[in-house]
Amino acid sequence: AQKITQTQPGMFVQEKEAVTLDCTYDTSDPSYGLFWYKQPSSGEMIFLIYQGSYDQQNATEGRYSLNFQKARKSANLVISASQLGDSAMYFCAMREGSGGYNKLIFGAGTRLAVHP
Amino acid sequence: DAGVIQSPRHEVTEMGQEVTLRCKPISGHNSLFWYRQTMMRGLELLIYFNNNVPIDDSGMPEDRFSAKMPNASFSTLKIQPSEPRDSAVYFCASSSADRGTNTEAFFGQGTRLTVV
Repeated sequence: AQKITQTQPGMFVQEKEAVTLDCTYDTSDPSYGLFWYKQPSSGEMIFLIYQGSYDQQNATEGRYSLNFQKARKSANLVISASQLGDSAMYFCAMREGSGGYNKLIFGAGTRLAVHP
Repeated sequence: DAGVIQSPRHEVTEMGQEVTLRCKPISGHNSLFWYRQTMMRGLELLIYFNNNVPIDDSGMPEDRFSAKMPNASFSTLKIQPSEPRDSAVYFCASSSADRGTNTEAFFGQGTRLTVV
């Protein structure tokens, strides 16, 4: 069964606009972590933001914020004030269980194109 | 810290040859992951180690693939014999459980493997 689902293969946004990248997940474990990574065309994987299942508030990191809706099992990434350098693949990922000793699995990714 | 170091960055080999990919995790990290990335299958988790012990190798495609972690600072992924369908980018990532909760993984630059 697909644990992480990213339904948008590709998205585009106008520079300086906000964009939301969707992610839904499936787990029966009450303790889990959700992550977003960026992969630019150069290929490296860059960690962006983390949300814990017990966190009361949505995570934010600069222009990145995570819209965490636990009941819906969704963890959408919001990028505000898009920049040309935001054009990349974006991956949602999840670790189940506590202690950090658990595997990290990824969704299929969404390719974001920022237009000037 | 130098980050996760993978070698080689690029490898071109002939079908049937043995290929060994190497990874040095971030010092102090407890968990190490090997991923394979292709256009068709995305980011697949092949195997992960905790404290040098393989925990889950269910993602290893077949017996031609093997991975070892002889100590906390070194891991190898070996393919023997290699086949053209093994052509992909192989990532190594490491993470720490020091925070006691789920933690992000830091990725190496990847090894681009081409089997001809």
